[in-house]
Amino acid sequence: EPEVTQTPSHQVTQMGQEVILRCVPISNHLYFYWYRQILGQKVEFLVSFYNNEISEKSEIFDDQFSVERPDGSNFTLKIRSTKLEDSAMYFCASSEYPEAFFGQGTRLTVV
Amino acid sequence: AQTVTQSQPEMSVQEAETVTLSCTYDTSESDYYLFWYKQPPSRQMILVIRQEAYKQQNATENRFSVNFQKAAKSFSLKISDSQLGDAAMYFCAYRSADSNYQLIWGAGTKLIIKP
Repeated sequence: EPEVTQTPSHQVTQMGQEVILRCVPISNHLYFYWYRQILGQKVEFLVSFYNNEISEKSEIFDDQFSVERPDGSNFTLKIRSTKLEDSAMYFCASSEYPEAFFGQGTRLTVV
Repeated sequence: AQTVTQSQPEMSVQEAETVTLSCTYDTSESDYYLFWYKQPPSRQMILVIRQEAYKQQNATENRFSVNFQKAAKSFSLKISDSQLGDAAMYFCAYRSADSNYQLIWGAGTKLIIKP
């Protein structure tokens, strides 16, 4: 069964460093998303991506964040200068309307 | 703006028994989708069941079924014959039918299965 794949599963980074979280969506899906979940809190929407551009983004998705689909298969989330409060589980999802299928998540720890 | 509320932070049930998790939502839209996702300790988000607002019939997937009350804006999940593997966080989520954009999430209910 096709699935969304995220790498790495866990990343530890120093505050101020750049991180790139990678995702391989399901191949025939057209809509891609990033969500995050701070430990013990609600899942929060970050950004959606369609036709090689951002279709919607939340207030969380400020200038420190960017997304890219560099090669037609990978979908990446870059955090330019990480802060302690960026520590969370980051989920990539791809959608065959109306259902969204999620990857297993990347646990980002900023120290 | 749409909101999703799960009022039960934690529920427990004896193995093999039935449990119902509650979810209410607020929207002015008439057409939308509702979902239940399961998040086991591995923290992967797994789709359990989906309900289209235009369908009167409640969705069912094996031991999982929903009670969708559109007028009351209620969407509960019933798990029958609970199994140890059902232990997880359960999230209710809403998506507008007008777009393929974001899911709006409830805060989650932690389900504990007692052997």
